Amino acid sequence: AQSVTQPDIHITVSEGASLELRCNYSYGATPYLFWYVQSPGQGLQLLLKYFSGDTLVQGIKGFEAEFKRSQSSFNLRKPSVHWSDAAEYFCAVGALDFGNEKLTFGTGTRLTIIP
Amino acid sequence: DAGVIQSPRHEVTEMGQEVTLRCKPISGHNSLFWYRQTMMRGLELLIYFNNNVPIDDSGMPEDRFSAKMPNASFSTLKIQPSEPRDSAVYFCASSLRTVGGTQYFGPGTRLLVL
Repeated sequence: AQSVTQPDIHITVSEGASLELRCNYSYGATPYLFWYVQSPGQGLQLLLKYFSGDTLVQGIKGFEAEFKRSQSSFNLRKPSVHWSDAAEYFCAVGALDFGNEKLTFGTGTRLTIIP
Repeated sequence: DAGVIQSPRHEVTEMGQEVTLRCKPISGHNSLFWYRQTMMRGLELLIYFNNNVPIDDSGMPEDRFSAKMPNASFSTLKIQPSEPRDSAVYFCASSLRTVGGTQYFGPGTRLLVL
């Protein structure tokens, strides 16, 4: 069975500082991996995804993530955060399998930005 | 594109009443997903459809919950009778069924059962 662990429930960073959100996954085959962001009262918006190719993927809003198979990780990074980045971030894993479309989500990391 | 559309956005009802949540997927998408989000359990997949056919309903909590997709542009999630523990945000998502296909989420329906 696939699973996702986001070890940090809540992170606080200063505006302009760098950010790294951790995500570890468990899956027996080649996974495909997502990061979604959820602003208060909103649905989930896709930031980026990985399923093949370059292990460093670029997303929207200046975010990037790196797939490290040896560490079963897919950490999200941003070099300089903005106050508008305050939100909840979810990592998700899915099967690279045409017959199985289910995604398993982590429990999320809430990001707070301080001036 | 209008994105995934859900209605109503907010619903307040009393215990025992029937609740119907509605979803219109993105045009051209052939997979549709219903999720429930709570503080205690996070984001849970309830059921998903492909080409209007339910594929996996293992996440549906109990017989009080039912979902239908009568055509490619409409789905409903019904709770009858509703209970206070059903209070949650319910999301609908749709995707084009391809390898690595992305699920696009609607804004959600916030349900409160009193």
